[in-house]
Amino acid sequence: KQEVTQIPAALSVPEGENLVLNCSFTDSAIYNLQWFRQDPGKGLTSLLLIQSSQREQTSGRLNASLDKSSGRSTLYIAASQPGDSATYLCARFGNQFYFGTGTSLTVIP
Amino acid sequence: DAGVIQSPRHEVTEMGQEVTLRCKPISGHDYLFWYRQTMMRGLELLIYFNNNVPIDDSGMPEDRFSAKMPNASFSTLKIQPSEPRDSAVYFCASSLAHGGGYTFGSGTRLTVV
Repeated sequence: KQEVTQIPAALSVPEGENLVLNCSFTDSAIYNLQWFRQDPGKGLTSLLLIQSSQREQTSGRLNASLDKSSGRSTLYIAASQPGDSATYLCARFGNQFYFGTGTSLTVIP
Repeated sequence: DAGVIQSPRHEVTEMGQEVTLRCKPISGHDYLFWYRQTMMRGLELLIYFNNNVPIDDSGMPEDRFSAKMPNASFSTLKIQPSEPRDSAVYFCASSLAHGGGYTFGSGTRLTVV
């Protein structure tokens, strides 16, 4: 059963573009939502953690928002760079723990 | 802190052999998680511990899989006997609190031939 959906599955953009990655979930009873990036053959690196009581978090060029009522989170990447190329996963923490299937991002120089 | 440390990084074994994966969580983190990642199924939670006690092992696929956490600084995931379909990357993660931010280890890439 798919609890967390990430769309699109893959995204390719030219360098410098701003972009938005989407994460939707069916259970609004979440504690927190966390965004990760995963480089090929590597582990997961935490990007941003949004507590259930928060609406957004920012770190550098990254901004993540959480809307529990609509069951959505978005990760905004400003001024994308080739080094941003990776797979981005969201994970929601509620009574159980679920990861999305990820969005594979390619930033073209 | 060196982060979550997993060993080995890579393991290749023959079908039927016993495999043991190891994890050292971040000091002070009360929660430890074992995940498996495959192309087909993505990240799957296998089991998690709180204060060294297994809380939810419903994700453990079969009796061939077992996990222990004898103390706060060490956990093992054992597969006995291993099968080719167990081939995957196994991740360990720890967190300070329930629903708190995860920190992942670098994973163990297991290949069963």
